[in-house]
Amino acid sequence: GAVVSQHPSWVICKSGTSVKIECRSLDFQATTMFWYRQFPKQSLMLMATSNEGSKATYEQGVEKDKFLINHASLTLSTLTVTSAHPEDSSFYICSATALFFSLGEQYFGPGTRLTVT
Amino acid sequence: AQSVAQPEDQVNVAEGNPLTVKCTYSVSGNPYLFWYVQYPNRGLQFLLKYITGDNLVKGSYGFEAEFNKSQTSFHLKKPSALVSDSALYFCAVIKSTFGDGTTLTVKP
Repeated sequence: GAVVSQHPSWVICKSGTSVKIECRSLDFQATTMFWYRQFPKQSLMLMATSNEGSKATYEQGVEKDKFLINHASLTLSTLTVTSAHPEDSSFYICSATALFFSLGEQYFGPGTRLTVT
Repeated sequence: AQSVAQPEDQVNVAEGNPLTVKCTYSVSGNPYLFWYVQYPNRGLQFLLKYITGDNLVKGSYGFEAEFNKSQTSFHLKKPSALVSDSALYFCAVIKSTFGDGTTLTVKP
C-alpha cells in the first residue's frame, strides 16, 4: 500500500506557543489529505479535509484559526496548532487519498503525539 | 447524520478461537463500510471494505466481515485468532466517521 509519514512523531511544547505537524505522502500524489484527532481510548475525530491548492474544509466545532491547515503541494500538508494549550494535547493523525484510488481508500500516517505543558 | 457504533470496548479471545468484533451503522443511502486496525505507534491500516456486491467481504490478514443490511451490521470476523491480532480495531463509514474502537486481546 501507499505510505504516509508524519513529522514529528511526538512533540512537547509550552502553553502559548505554536507547533507545526507535517504530513507527507511518500510514494503518491495526494489530492486530498485529512486531519484527525484521537483522544486516549477514543475514536478518531475528523478535524478537516484539505485539497491541494485550496482552503481546508473544517468540521463543525473545529476552530480554523487555531488549527491552521496548509496543503501547498500534492505531497505535503501541514497542521499548525497555534497558541497551544494543555487541552490541545492529543494524538493527531493525517491520512491521504488520491483521485485514482478506489472509493474510500485512504492511507494513514503513524500519528503525532502533542503534549502541551 | 451518519454514525457507527462498536458496542464492545474490549474483546478477549484465546489464540486459535474464532473472533468477532461487532459494528453497527446508521447511514442514509448506500453504506460504504470499512474496518481498520491500529497497532501501537503505527498508522491505521486498512483491513477491508464493503461498497457493494457480496455480503461477505474478505480482507487482509485472514479477516472477513459480513454485511447485514437488515440488522445494519458489519461485524469483523476471523476463524482462528492469533496473538499478533491483538490491536485496536475501528469500524468506519464514508466519509470518515469512525466507531469508538474495540481493543482486541488474543491470549496464548
